[in-house]
Amino acid sequence: EPEVTQTPSHQVTQMGQEVILRCVPISNHLYFYWYRQILGQKVEFLVSFYNNEISEKSEIFDDQFSVERPDGSNFTLKIRSTKLEDSAMYFCASKKVEANEQFFGPGTRLTVL
Amino acid sequence: AQSVTQPDIHITVSEGASLELRCNYSYGATPYLFWYVQSPGQGLQLLLKYFSGDTLVQGIKGFEAEFKRSQSSFNLRKPSVHWSDAAEYFCAVGARGSGGSNYKLTFGKGTLLTVNP
Repeated sequence: EPEVTQTPSHQVTQMGQEVILRCVPISNHLYFYWYRQILGQKVEFLVSFYNNEISEKSEIFDDQFSVERPDGSNFTLKIRSTKLEDSAMYFCASKKVEANEQFFGPGTRLTVL
Repeated sequence: AQSVTQPDIHITVSEGASLELRCNYSYGATPYLFWYVQSPGQGLQLLLKYFSGDTLVQGIKGFEAEFKRSQSSFNLRKPSVHWSDAAEYFCAVGARGSGGSNYKLTFGKGTLLTVNP
């Protein structure tokens, strides 16, 4: 069964560094999403992406964040200058245009030191 | 804006006992409703979903949930809990965006389930 994959599974970085989290959505899905979960807290929506542009973003998704679909398979989340409070699990999800269910990847744990 | 309330932060049940996890939502239209389960350090596994139609939905692992529009609730139930059900459970509502079938998920804060032998 096709699934969403994410790399790396765990990323450790120094505060102020740039990180890129990578996701490979399911191949025939065209809606893409990023969510994050700070340790011990609920999952929060960051951004949705369709047709090579952002459809919706939350107030968390400020100028430090960007998303990109650099090729036909990858969907990336970039954090330009990481802060300690960016430490979280980041989940990618994808969805078919005509369907209702979002499929989640296993997540990338980002630790900012 | 949509919101989800899970009033129980932590629930402890004995193995074999029945379980009900509560979820209330706030949304102006008929929502998409979901229950996810998360084991420590793991990702989100979808247990069940409601989009329309029959208000009692069946999911994996013997779970079911009932959508009650009058109460804005979508409570999760299981008749007999197994030790392997110990995990954190998240209720989520899907709120449609500006057009098409796109929507973002808003999650509750979760209910941690402990199962005693």
